[in-house]
Parts: sequence; structure tokens; C-alpha cells
Amino acid sequence: QVQLVESGGGLVKPGGSLRLSCAASGFTLSDYYMSWIRQAPGKGLEWVSYISGSGRSTYYADSVQGRVTISRDNAKNLLYLELNSLRPEDTAVYYCAKDCGNDWGGFDYWGQGTLVTVSS
Amino acid sequence: SVLTQSPSESGTPGQRVAISCSGGTSNIGRNSVNWYQQLPGMAPKLLIYSSYQRPSGVPDRFSGSKSGTSASLAISGLQSEDEADYYCSTWDDSLNGVLFGGGTKLTVL
Repeated sequence: QVQLVESGGGLVKPGGSLRLSCAASGFTLSDYYMSWIRQAPGKGLEWVSYISGSGRSTYYADSVQGRVTISRDNAKNLLYLELNSLRPEDTAVYYCAKDCGNDWGGFDYWGQGTLVTVSS
Repeated sequence: SVLTQSPSESGTPGQRVAISCSGGTSNIGRNSVNWYQQLPGMAPKLLIYSSYQRPSGVPDRFSGSKSGTSASLAISGLQSEDEADYYCSTWDDSLNGVLFGGGTKLTVL
């Protein structure tokens, strides 16, 4: 069965960096676009980034453009999100999600999330 | 949010409720809508994709519709376990990114 397991979250100071990972299993990672979506404590969902199956195409939300890099290693079944110049407003649970293959924004499997806390 | 959802809705067991999602010509007007259910402390679950389609395992009590720049999620035969937050999402051609609605908290009275 499809499984997505995020890791790499934690407490980081403003201006710091963090690299999140998402281990995928139960499907062929290279066949699907993948995304990162975040949710600040008590708030709604916010899309962060998309990456194509090959990794050649990437898309970012304006709120993170220039500070975040999405990448993938299909051979290792891993998805990454590198977060730089972190701000307190980046504090959130970060989910990786598998695109369902039908429409942009349709995510049929989600991980359990990893918490990133940006605080001094 | 660019996609507007009412903050809360409520209903009694067995009732039918509808949750709306309003957008614009660059998003809902041109693209399909997806709906998610998020139970407390859990990751979101896809309920509807491509505006009308249900993934396998989602009960047919849940249905989606779209007209112009608005979309709606209907839940019939409301059950206590339907109490959750519901989000709509779609692609925005102008922003070149995914939009989520602000979410609707559904309370089953």
C-alpha cells in the first residue's frame, strides 16, 4: 500500500535552514508529481511546492519562492524540501503528498506530517 | 484566501449539508476542484477530485459539483463521524500554483 513518511522537522532559529525528507513506498515515485503542503498551528492548508515526476519542473508558492527548493531522488524513493532563511511564519506541520494524476491540486495520499518550529 | 469558504456549517444526523467554495476566472473558472476532509489531528483525506469524482472507498454520501467560478461539496445522510474541517483546492492559472480554501468546520449537532 502507498505510504509517505516525512522526517527532518524540528526547532530552528529565524534565518536558519532545514531539510525535510519524505520516504515513499507502495508506488513508482517517478510516475507522479509530488507536493509539499503546510499547515500552521490552528490554521488552514497552504500549498508550498510541486515537482514533476522527472524532477525537471518545479513550482513554488509566492510565500516561499526563493527560500525553498523541492527535489527528488526517484532511485531512492525520496522527496525533499530544503527550507532556507526561515521565518517565524514558516512554523507549520509540513506534509508531503502524492498527486492523484488527474488534476493539479488533487492529492490522494498524504504523509503524517513533520513539524517545523521557527523560534529564537 | 482567494478561494472563499464559509468558516462553519452545521447539521443534524441524517440531514443534507452543502459546503461552498467561491473563486474566480483564473482558478475555479478554468480548472477542476478537489475536496478534502481533515479530522482533528490527522492528515487531510481526498474526498472529491476532478470536481465530481470520488476516490475508491469514499462513500457516495459525498458528492461534488461545480458551476462557473463556484463549487460545492454536498454531504447527505449526515453522520457524527463527518464532523471535521473541509477544504477545497484548485489550480490558479495566474498564480501558477495550487490554492486551498480557508476551510469550513462542520459540526454535527
